[in-house]
Amino acid sequence: DQQVKQNSPSLSVQEGRISILNCDYTNSMFDYFLWYKKYPAEGPTFLISISSIKDKNEDGRFTVFLNKSAKHLSLHIVPSQPGDSAVYFCAARNQAGTALIFGKGTTLSVSS
Amino acid sequence: KAGVTQTPRYLIKTRGQQVTLSCSPISGHRSVSWYQQTPGQGLQFLFEYFSETQRNKGNFPGRFSGRQFSNSRSEMNVSTLELGDSALYLCASSLDRVDNEQFFGPGTRLTVL
Repeated sequence: DQQVKQNSPSLSVQEGRISILNCDYTNSMFDYFLWYKKYPAEGPTFLISISSIKDKNEDGRFTVFLNKSAKHLSLHIVPSQPGDSAVYFCAARNQAGTALIFGKGTTLSVSS
Repeated sequence: KAGVTQTPRYLIKTRGQQVTLSCSPISGHRSVSWYQQTPGQGLQFLFEYFSETQRNKGNFPGRFSGRQFSNSRSEMNVSTLELGDSALYLCASSLDRVDNEQFFGPGTRLTVL
């Protein structure tokens, strides 16, 4: 049973517009969420995170929103750039801090 | 500071063989996690080691095992390889907990024929 779900395998956006990537989770015990970006032939790199005590975290062009009641989080990229084209993974950390549970990823394509 | 390194980068094996993958974490990092990435399943957690002890294990068969040495370097072993074991195996290290300071290596691409 998948605990972290990214239901959109792919997303295409034009340069300069907003990209919204979504993620749902089922385990209400998750207390920390992260987004990673992955280019081909490279390992994932950390992008942004949010604690369950917050509902929003911002870092430059990237903002993550958390809706605990809906068990839903989203990553907003504004404005989108061609260099943002990559696979984006949503992850949740278990309370012991000893495992990250990842979604299957969403491939973002930003066209110029 | 050098990043996480994984060796080998590419590996081809046949069914029934065994394989050992190696991971060197960032200097000073004591937690090492392993993940399997496949097109259909995304990144799946294999296990996590801290100070030579396995702290957590994902839902994989016993053919998958690992260990961590006193210098924090880690190895994972897969015995009796199956075609479905073909995947990218990623190692990640962090100082202690697997939080946002977890850094990934480039991975080892394993192909089982």
